[in-house]
Amino acid sequence: DAGVTQSPTHLIKTRGQQVTLRCSPKSGHDTVSWYQQALGQGPQFIFQYYEEEERQRGNFPDRFSGHQFPNYSSELNVNALLLGDSALYLCASSPTLVREETQYFGPGTRLLVL
Amino acid sequence: GENVEQHPSTLSVQEGDSAVIKCTYSDSASNYFPWYKQELGKGPQLIIDIRSNVGEKKDQRIAVTLNKTAKHFSLHITETQPEDSAVYFCAAWMDSSYKLIFGSGTRLLVRP
Repeated sequence: DAGVTQSPTHLIKTRGQQVTLRCSPKSGHDTVSWYQQALGQGPQFIFQYYEEEERQRGNFPDRFSGHQFPNYSSELNVNALLLGDSALYLCASSPTLVREETQYFGPGTRLLVL
Repeated sequence: GENVEQHPSTLSVQEGDSAVIKCTYSDSASNYFPWYKQELGKGPQLIIDIRSNVGEKKDQRIAVTLNKTAKHFSLHITETQPEDSAVYFCAAWMDSSYKLIFGSGTRLLVRP
């Protein structure tokens, strides 16, 4: 059983560019949450997708947007990149109707903005 | 506000000793408390969790305790091994906002 997968593993962008990160949830999971983890800190909640809609959002600007597809996979888009967007971006999946709070994380995408 | 405080930030123990990490949460509505282990270059791995209707849970060498009145929960690792070395995060789940609030992490070093 494959766990949560994310792509790409690493990414280098320059300020002002746009980036798209991808996530495939664990089999049987229908909810995807995205987190940003700065170096030396705990993950910070960005938003959560369920039934292809954003169900909840953390304290992140509109430059951060997402999408969920019918197969439950998800994308995180960040526009107008800033140096401060450099971080590890984590995707977590959970089964909403069973234990939505039990979240399993992928390996993350490390984004470096120059 | 929603906040989870975690202590200590670093912890060094001798192999075979016990390690304890403590967290405090602010929102009394929190009802689920997972612990994650994150190794270098990897995503957080769920190692144990506890719900608000339980005071203690144990899984082999790891255990978690919860004091709802004091809004405290702790991770206990007994008979530590070098492979336990990692960063550990506590978190609290907010039913009302569908999100996990994480502590700042504890870097555990187990000396052989």
